Amino acid sequence: ETGVTQSPTHLIKTRGQQVTLRCSSQSGHNTVSWYQQALGQGPQFIFQYYREEENGRGNFPPRFSGLQFPNYSSELNVNALELDDSALYLCASSLGRSTPGELFFGEGSRLTVL
Amino acid sequence: GENVEQHPSTLSVQEGDSAVIKCTYSDSASNYFPWYKQELGKRPQLIIDIRSNVGEKKDQRIAVTLNKTAKHFSLHITETQPEDSAVYFCAASPIMEYGNKLVFGAGTILRVKS
Repeated sequence: ETGVTQSPTHLIKTRGQQVTLRCSSQSGHNTVSWYQQALGQGPQFIFQYYREEENGRGNFPPRFSGLQFPNYSSELNVNALELDDSALYLCASSLGRSTPGELFFGEGSRLTVL
Repeated sequence: GENVEQHPSTLSVQEGDSAVIKCTYSDSASNYFPWYKQELGKRPQLIIDIRSNVGEKKDQRIAVTLNKTAKHFSLHITETQPEDSAVYFCAASPIMEYGNKLVFGAGTILRVKS
C-alpha cells in the first residue's frame, strides 16, 4: 500500500506567476483535500474533492482551484501568486464516507513566493 | 463557521512528567475531534481521535477527553519521552456529506527535556 505522495517538494515562484501542485492519494482512497500551512500555524482547509467533484471549500479566493482525476489523484492550482501564498501545501486523502475519519497527509509542497 | 482555539502554544516538561493540551471549539454540530502530531519537516500524523458520542478514549500513554457541553477537549500524554517532542494540533470536523473538513488549532510545541 503506497502512501500519499506530493510533488514538487519545494518550489520558488515570483509574484503574479501561476503554480500547479500534484498529489497521489493513498491506494483505495476516493477523497482528497488540500490544506495550506503557513509557518508556525495549523493547516487551513482549502477544498476537498470526492469522486472528481469539489465537495466543500474553505475561505480561499477563486484563484485557488483544483482538480481530481479518475484515479483520484489531484492537482491544486494557484493563479496570480501573492507573497502571502508562501506556505506548505498539504494534500490529504481519506475514504469518502458519511462518518469523518482519519486523514492521511503527504509530506507537502513548500512554496516560496518572492 | 467552526473556530478552534488551542492552549498552550508551547509546553516544556521533564521526561516522565505528564503533558496536557487543551482545545475549545465553537460549532456544536462538530462531531469528530482528532489530534495530529507533526515532527519538524514531517507530515502531520493522527495519534488519537474521539467522536462526539464518547467522553474519553485512551491508547497506551495517550488519552483524549471531550466535554460536549462546554465544547472543549483535551490531550493527555503520560510518562513523556523525548520522542514525544513535536508540534501537536487539535482539530474539529464540522458535518459534511462525505469525508471531513478539519478546522485545526494553531498548534502546541511540546518539548520533553531529558
